Amino acid sequence: DAGVIQSPRHEVTEMGQEVTLRCKPISGHDYLFWYRQTMMRGLELLIYFNNNVPIDDSGMPEDRFSAKMPNASFSTLKIQPSEPRDSAVYFCASSLVGYGTEAFFGQGTRLTVV
Amino acid sequence: RKEVEQDPGPFNVPEGATVAFNCTYSNSASQSFFWYRQDCRKEPKLLMSVYSSGNEDGRFTAQLNRASQYISLLIRDSKLSDSATYLCVVNDAGGFKTIFGAGTRLFVKA
Repeated sequence: DAGVIQSPRHEVTEMGQEVTLRCKPISGHDYLFWYRQTMMRGLELLIYFNNNVPIDDSGMPEDRFSAKMPNASFSTLKIQPSEPRDSAVYFCASSLVGYGTEAFFGQGTRLTVV
Repeated sequence: RKEVEQDPGPFNVPEGATVAFNCTYSNSASQSFFWYRQDCRKEPKLLMSVYSSGNEDGRFTAQLNRASQYISLLIRDSKLSDSATYLCVVNDAGGFKTIFGAGTRLFVKA
């Protein structure tokens, strides 16, 4: 298996533009997580899905952020409109069963909003 | 108070040294615990799980103290390749929400 695949690896956009980050989890994994990492705040859980259903989105910073998982092999995280403070590395991770098991991370998308 | 707290470091140690990291968590009902390692500009990867009885994997030893709500990681005989950020990870009582500490940076020098 190729692991968790994220695209793009790097994204530079102007403030106000819409940004869409993509993730393909490991086949067969039940859980998918979106994280954001910054120097100031560390790694923050934004939202996670179980069997394509959003379970907890309490970490989503504001309404400008939205996430979808239309099927078991694809998820998106959208920011509209983007702001400079959204600049961070966004990680997607998946796991076979959420409880007490290893989460496998993608390589991340480094987002810069100018 | 943060849900998971770690000393950010950095810890600068010579090769061969023993170094220990601690992590505290706020939710006494937390069920499972891990240490992840993150290399510079890379994704986090699982280093080891932490069991109630303590567990060892080569040069690495992890311990859990539920009464005091802290987790520790001990690295013996440090190698240059151990230089990384070590993330303490706690699953909530339901087991599904994974909370990461901010990480402790380790630099091992020759």
